Order: sequence, then structure tokens, then C-alpha cells
Amino acid sequence: DAKTTQPPSMDCAEGRAANLPCNHSTISGNEYVYWYRQIHSQGPQYIIHGLKNNETNEMASLIITEDRKSSTLILPHATLRDTAVYYCIVRVMDSSYKLIFGSGTRLLVRP
Amino acid sequence: NAGVTQTPKFQVLKTGQSMTLQCAQDMNHNSMYWYRQDPGMGLRLIYYSASEGTTDKGEVPNGYNVSRLNKREFSLRLESAAPSQTSVYFCASSLDRGQPQHFGDGTRLSIL
Repeated sequence: DAKTTQPPSMDCAEGRAANLPCNHSTISGNEYVYWYRQIHSQGPQYIIHGLKNNETNEMASLIITEDRKSSTLILPHATLRDTAVYYCIVRVMDSSYKLIFGSGTRLLVRP
Repeated sequence: NAGVTQTPKFQVLKTGQSMTLQCAQDMNHNSMYWYRQDPGMGLRLIYYSASEGTTDKGEVPNGYNVSRLNKREFSLRLESAAPSQTSVYFCASSLDRGQPQHFGDGTRLSIL
């Protein structure tokens, strides 16, 4: 699975969009980009995943650059409950079972 | 719809005691997993079950055993607990290999 790089921390104001970047310059053609988050003391929560097209669901949007070397997770209207550590994971869809969580980005949403 | 349910939520054991952590999912998923998370670290896979009737070792299986009781339930057993097994244990499930994994809220286990 390709290596990912994320900033260690970010903050944004409540109600504003939170844009979390992820670099995955060594991504292979068959690797997907997954995003999870972990709110303090809870289990990780799946957010969204994509291959090369932009994706949107009820939680967030995922923007993947055309060369697929980086992506951005967008929380359109961040709330205090979105304060969490966000993990970008790159893996082949039918690869090994384990998820490799890096150090992630700690997002703080300010009132 | 409960998702993934883990019991107990908290447990304190003495060194050498045994216990079983329970996990059940109601999403009709085929694959289930057990992870541990130590302070300041990412999750590490202990065991997984690709489908009912199969189990396989992950990256840190020593000291643990698992049972896939049926499609819904996947238990993790510590036969002789050691202080190094103090951790937060998460169970997860996914529809199939590679599909997004859905996690329970964890079992916080302390071994004295």
C-alpha cells in the first residue's frame, strides 16, 4: 500500500469548510483513497473512499487530483463534533485485510 | 441498527487471568477483525475472519485466540493475560475484503 503524508494538525472555525489534504505521490493505478476519522475514545469511523473521480456522501466530499498524487477531504460545514483525528489511507480494494493507520491529521474545530 | 457491538466496554484483569472479548455485528457482513490500539499509536491487526468458518493471524497474534462463532459474532480470547496486553481493543466488520470497515466503540482493557 502506498505511503501517505498528512499535516499533523489543523484547525477551522465552526460552520466553515474544513479542507484536509493528503499526499500519496506513489499511489498505484489500482489503489483507492480511503478516509477514516477517530473521535476521542471512540472507534474509527469510515467517511468516504474513491479511486479517481470526486466523491460525495452525506458526511464529506473527496477531491482527488487528476494525477491522483494527492487528495483533499472536505467537510463542508464543520461542527464541534467534527473535532477528531482524520486518517488518509491508500490501499488496493482487494488487498490484505488490515488497515494501516498513519499518524493522521488532528482537526480542531473552534467555536 | 446497532452496527458493531463490543462487550464489555471496560475490564480490569490480573496477570494470568483469562477473558473473552465479545463482538457482534448486525450488518450481515462477511469479514470481521480484531485490532488493538496502544496510546499514541495506530491500530494493529490481531486476527481477522474473512468469512464464517475461517480465521487468520494479523500482525500481532501472539497471546490471543479467536473464534468466529457464526456470521454475526467474532470473539477474542486472552488465555493468560499479561501487562503488555493492556490496550484498547476494537472489533470491526466489512461486507467483504477491501470494503470499508465499520468499528465498534472498543473495549478498554487494563492488566495489572
